[in-house]
Amino acid sequence: GAVVSQHPSRVICKSGTSVKIECRSLDFQATTMFWYRQFPKKSLMLMATSNEGSKATYEQGVEKDKFLINHASLTLSTLTVTSAHPEDSSFYICSARGPYTETQYFGPGTRLLVL
Amino acid sequence: GEDVEQSLFLSVREGDSSVINCTYTDSSSTYLYWYKQEPGAGLQLLTYIFSNMDMKQDQRLTVLLNKKDKHLSLRIADTQTGDSAIYFCAEKEDQAGTALIFGKGTTLSVSS
Repeated sequence: GAVVSQHPSRVICKSGTSVKIECRSLDFQATTMFWYRQFPKKSLMLMATSNEGSKATYEQGVEKDKFLINHASLTLSTLTVTSAHPEDSSFYICSARGPYTETQYFGPGTRLLVL
Repeated sequence: GEDVEQSLFLSVREGDSSVINCTYTDSSSTYLYWYKQEPGAGLQLLTYIFSNMDMKQDQRLTVLLNKKDKHLSLRIADTQTGDSAIYFCAEKEDQAGTALIFGKGTTLSVSS
């Protein structure tokens, strides 16, 4: 149980285009989903917290107009990187928690490369 | 603000025990976690401990918590080459729905 998937696992795009990353909880309802970004050989930095049906809460320094987060259902959250630039290249990982637990389960991550 | 510190590297021989240490600063941390990340992969939850516990054992894994010193450790018994990975310590404060705060990760290298 407690499986979280992400799609795509890898994406290469041209500078200026937008990329959407999906995060799904496969066998539980995720009331809260988190989006993290991991730089090479670095820890995970929280980008935003999203609760189903409400607007995401962004961490300081994260541009909400650039990183659009939608959590329209209890099993799906999406992160859209708009007008991507090479500095947005990174490993993006989502996590999800259910309604009766504080434990977070992580997706396998999406590696984004912007050329 | 909250901070989680870990040593960056640990090298052990196959069959030995590995001990990965972590310190945190947030005294309101209620949940403390250990995650494993293999190359190019996401995070796998290994184990967690509540702040009212001193120790938790799960097969080859033993977690020790010294709440007074805000020190957490993960011991892996009979370390195998498949245990080579990055291990992240993470804390969560006692408030529903808050995110995890991660350490920078300890790279465990197991040689045969």
